[in-house]
Amino acid sequence: AQKVTQAQTEISVVEKEDVTLDCVYETRDTTYYLFWYKQPPSGELVFLIRRNSFDEQNEISGRYSWNFQKSTSSFNFTITASQVVDSAVYFCALKSGSGNTPLVFGKGTRLSVIA
Amino acid sequence: EPEVTQTPSHQVTQMGQEVILRCVPISNHLYFYWYRQILGQKVEFLVSFYNNEISEKSEIFDDQFSVERPDGSNFTLKIRSTKLEDSAMYFCASSELEGTGGSGANVLTFGAGSRLTVL
Repeated sequence: AQKVTQAQTEISVVEKEDVTLDCVYETRDTTYYLFWYKQPPSGELVFLIRRNSFDEQNEISGRYSWNFQKSTSSFNFTITASQVVDSAVYFCALKSGSGNTPLVFGKGTRLSVIA
Repeated sequence: EPEVTQTPSHQVTQMGQEVILRCVPISNHLYFYWYRQILGQKVEFLVSFYNNEISEKSEIFDDQFSVERPDGSNFTLKIRSTKLEDSAMYFCASSELEGTGGSGANVLTFGAGSRLTVL
């Protein structure tokens, strides 16, 4: 069974602070994909990143970075120098192996960035 | 940038009424999905659809739900007799063919959602 745990329900930071959103996953598959989606107050789900299980390289995209550690089954997301526009709910998700398997979401972390 | 479009953005209905939510997936995508999000909760999988048939469905997707691809562009979710607990945001998503190896493979592109309120 696939499972994604986002232990942080809500986080508040002051603008320009760095913040890390935690994600821990469970799967028995050796091939899987991990994702982060952003859900701003407007409600849509915006794709941020996909990482496959064979690629443990960390990734940086502007102020966003992701730390994938298979040894701890974690795929954490860091926002550097946070901005008010980063305020949203962030979902970590897992999609397993091949075939049309469902994308399984964590419960999300609500990030509030205060000016 | 290609996008998934959903209509209506918000629908209010009476309990027991039938509702159809519509989605236009990205044109070259072959896998289609419905997810729902009850207010303040996590996004839950309902059903996936490929090659004109359901390929996976969750326990939530009971006999009250059905999906259809009536033509080459639309993908619909029908709730036959709505219940109060069906009130949620319903997201349609689509993805490319599995196994292409391209950057788009496996990435679900979501629509903006249809908020359903059952009174």
